[in-house]
Amino acid sequence: QVQLQESGPGLVRPSETLSLTCTVSDDSFSNYYWSWIRQPPEKGLEWIGYIYSSGITTYNPSLKSRVTISVDTSRNQFSLSLNSVTAADTAVYYCARVPPPYKNTGTYKYYFDYWGQGTLVTVSS
Amino acid sequence: QSALTQAASVSASPGQSITISCSGTSRDVGKYDLVSWYQQHPGKAPKLMIYEVNKRPSGIYNRFSGSKSGNTAFLTISGLQAEDEAYYYCCSYAGSGTYVVFGGGTKLTVL
Repeated sequence: QVQLQESGPGLVRPSETLSLTCTVSDDSFSNYYWSWIRQPPEKGLEWIGYIYSSGITTYNPSLKSRVTISVDTSRNQFSLSLNSVTAADTAVYYCARVPPPYKNTGTYKYYFDYWGQGTLVTVSS
Repeated sequence: QSALTQAASVSASPGQSITISCSGTSRDVGKYDLVSWYQQHPGKAPKLMIYEVNKRPSGIYNRFSGSKSGNTAFLTISGLQAEDEAYYYCCSYAGSGTYVVFGGGTKLTVL
């Protein structure tokens, strides 16, 4: 059974950097894409970005200037860094798995089949 | 404001069927068969229910089905049960540049 677990500070000061790590129990970690998604309190979901084991990343254009996602395949971990945070970045942050492209066509997949339980990050002084 | 539009809430009685809609544009839902649906119970992580418009992951009941017409995607739940009461979010690929967009979510109440 694939398991994902987010970890990191629950409180970040305004203008500072939010840093989270997702640890994955999946023997095929290197075969998948890995993503971050967030959900502000009482609001909907927002995709942040994803990364492949090779380090190739794709980001939400609205957050691209502030986001970095990195991967450590030796530890089955990937991380999120979001700088210059404000109260608007207060949210539950989820990590999630994206299946690899179809082998026969190379078509990418854009859905999230396993999710972590989420971690609340509050931006406040 | 979410990129995809969903009704804020719907309700139905146990045993009935309900359809939740997700309205997009010709640049996302209408262009790609890459719509997915997620169920989220309060305080829990979202759960994949439908992917690529109408495919069900292993372990998801066939009471859940997906479809698409033009720029609108649909999630239909038949034989409603109390456990189906949750928020439902649609999601679509929106091309290189925008990539992934979500709907604002629909709260399903089973009366």
